Amino acid sequence: GQQVMQIPQYQHVQEGEDFTTYCNSSTTLSNIQWYKQRPGGHPVFLIQLVKSGEVKKQKRLTFQFGEAKKNSSLHITATQTTDVGTYFCHVGNQFYFGTGTSLTVIP
Amino acid sequence: GAGVSQSPSNKVTEKGKDVELRCDPISGHTALYWYRQSLGQGLEFLIYFQGNSAPDKSGLPSDRFSAERTGGSVSTLTIQRTQQEDSAVYLCASSQYGSLNQPQHFGDGTRLSIL
Repeated sequence: GQQVMQIPQYQHVQEGEDFTTYCNSSTTLSNIQWYKQRPGGHPVFLIQLVKSGEVKKQKRLTFQFGEAKKNSSLHITATQTTDVGTYFCHVGNQFYFGTGTSLTVIP
Repeated sequence: GAGVSQSPSNKVTEKGKDVELRCDPISGHTALYWYRQSLGQGLEFLIYFQGNSAPDKSGLPSDRFSAERTGGSVSTLTIQRTQQEDSAVYLCASSQYGSLNQPQHFGDGTRLSIL
């Protein structure tokens, strides 16, 4: 099946610092989705990227799809405590989610 | 309701018992997915339904696990002869079309504890 690696597994940042998680694949992806799961909650869809080199922004969140469509990143500018949770990438035409990056924001 | 509904929210049972978990997807969503999430871990795919059929059962961990979907709506996941390693949160999700490119909407999950 699809091998999708997500790094880092954990990230602790001071509030106000930036954060980035990466999702890497060994094969070309048709599209990629990003989800956020708050502690004790369920995954919530954030965004879908389809085009090579695509960049989308949601307030302080910036999502990017690589030119070769083999990797993607989620960048959060000036983290806030509300950003705490685990961020998962999902390969759009597969059943597999990335391993997730757990973000802790220290006030 | 407007979202994916799962029941029960919590289930505690003894090893060896059978359990049945229920998922009521968003009305009109044709695709339904079951995942398992152990504490602090990622999402493990179990099974996918398109309508009432399950084209992909490859994620079911053993023959003790089965699932069905009737009327293109409600789905049940059954675990027979439960084992302690079955303890996890079981999440159900639905999407509007059968294409996996559609966003998935998750329920709150069933937290299963096997004593």
